[in-house]
Amino acid sequence: GAGVSQSPSNKVTEKGKDVELRCDPISGHTALYWYRQSLGQGLEFLIYFQGNSAPDKSGLPSDRFSAERTGGSVSTLTIQRTQQEDSAVYLCASSLEWEAETQYFGPGTRLLVL
Amino acid sequence: AQSVTQLDSQVPVFEEAPVELRCNYSSSVSVYLFWYVQYPNQGLQLLLKYLSGSTLVKGINGFEAEFNKSQTSFHLRKPSVHISDTAEYFCAVSEKNNDMRFGAGTRLTVKP
Repeated sequence: GAGVSQSPSNKVTEKGKDVELRCDPISGHTALYWYRQSLGQGLEFLIYFQGNSAPDKSGLPSDRFSAERTGGSVSTLTIQRTQQEDSAVYLCASSLEWEAETQYFGPGTRLLVL
Repeated sequence: AQSVTQLDSQVPVFEEAPVELRCNYSSSVSVYLFWYVQYPNQGLQLLLKYLSGSTLVKGINGFEAEFNKSQTSFHLRKPSVHISDTAEYFCAVSEKNNDMRFGAGTRLTVKP
């Protein structure tokens, strides 16, 4: 596609529910990244994929967070048993290769946990 | 690991005035440096990047930044700002592209 797309753009959920956030990277980009942007804070790196593999999952905030990528394309970030502190904008980015210097960002998913 | 400090959380400035947004980083190895801009309710857009070579980097929308290795800085500048430059600006550093670290952001507000 022309750019990185994310869905949904906004998600409101109740505390304790599970949510799935989707990212479609730029076609042909092998590397994919997830970030979280909380109100009043900077961007927090969560996880990256090199192809379908995530070499380092230590950036995920807790074991309620998981991510997968299939077919070297679409990625899903899942948050189980959501908490209010999970409320944030979740940004996805992709780059041509995992060592490419430029990441291209999607518009983000704004998650609100009530 | 690398880290980034943006020294000003908010920068108000009048239209057509010059602006400098400050960024300092720490790293034990060579780095790539970036500035991203985030307009309201939008994703991040790359303004400019330093990979190697000339320390003065020119980006989109009239912005430029200078890499200063001795001061570990990568300040962003524009000689004359417009109302449309009002946005959040993020400095970022990457030792390798698999782990990019961002600063907390600087909110630039351009007043008429």
